[in-house]
Amino acid sequence: EDQVTQSPEALRLQEGESSSLNCSYTVSGLRGLFWYRQDPGKGPEFLFTLYSAGEEKEKERLKATLTKKESFLHITAPKPEDSATYLCALHASGGSYIPTFGRGTSLIVHP
Amino acid sequence: NAGVMQNPRHLVRRRGQEARLRCSPMKGHSHVYWYRQLPEEGLKFMVYLQKENIIDESGMPKERFSAEFPKEGPSILRIQQVVRGDSAAYFCASSPSETLNTGELFFGEGSRLTVL
Repeated sequence: EDQVTQSPEALRLQEGESSSLNCSYTVSGLRGLFWYRQDPGKGPEFLFTLYSAGEEKEKERLKATLTKKESFLHITAPKPEDSATYLCALHASGGSYIPTFGRGTSLIVHP
Repeated sequence: NAGVMQNPRHLVRRRGQEARLRCSPMKGHSHVYWYRQLPEEGLKFMVYLQKENIIDESGMPKERFSAEFPKEGPSILRIQQVVRGDSAAYFCASSPSETLNTGELFFGEGSRLTVL
């Protein structure tokens, strides 16, 4: 069974304090790994897709990386507006296209 | 270009009543997904539909739950004889085409069901 595990469950940072969120996964074959951001009371918003080990994607203060077993979402010099829950999801090879989501990491950035 | 529209945003039902949740996908999108979110469980897949077809319903309980995506009109998730355990946020997402998909699903704001 495909598994997606995110850590930590919650993270508190001071503004400007860089850190990383982890998404470890087990899957028979990876078609794609995705990162989403979810604000309270809102639906998830797509950030990145990574397809193969070694790939990196960047958007403003966020950078996502991928290895054969895990993905990291690096947050550089975060601001309070980066506070949100970050969700990792994957799509396994074969079958219908149905992303499987992790439970997320709740990030709070204090000013 | 309007995003994914879900209604109602909030729905309160008593045990035993029916709940109907509606989702209008983004214009041009032919794939619809329903997910349920509980604070302790994260987003759980329920059902994947294309126009007039259920592609995968492996995440949807066999009893009381049904979904449709008719040729005309929104997708509907129907929960019959609701129980307190059905209380959750239900999210709909859409995508344009499986073959063109980059992994991006466009989510609605969700429908929050409370069962009294």
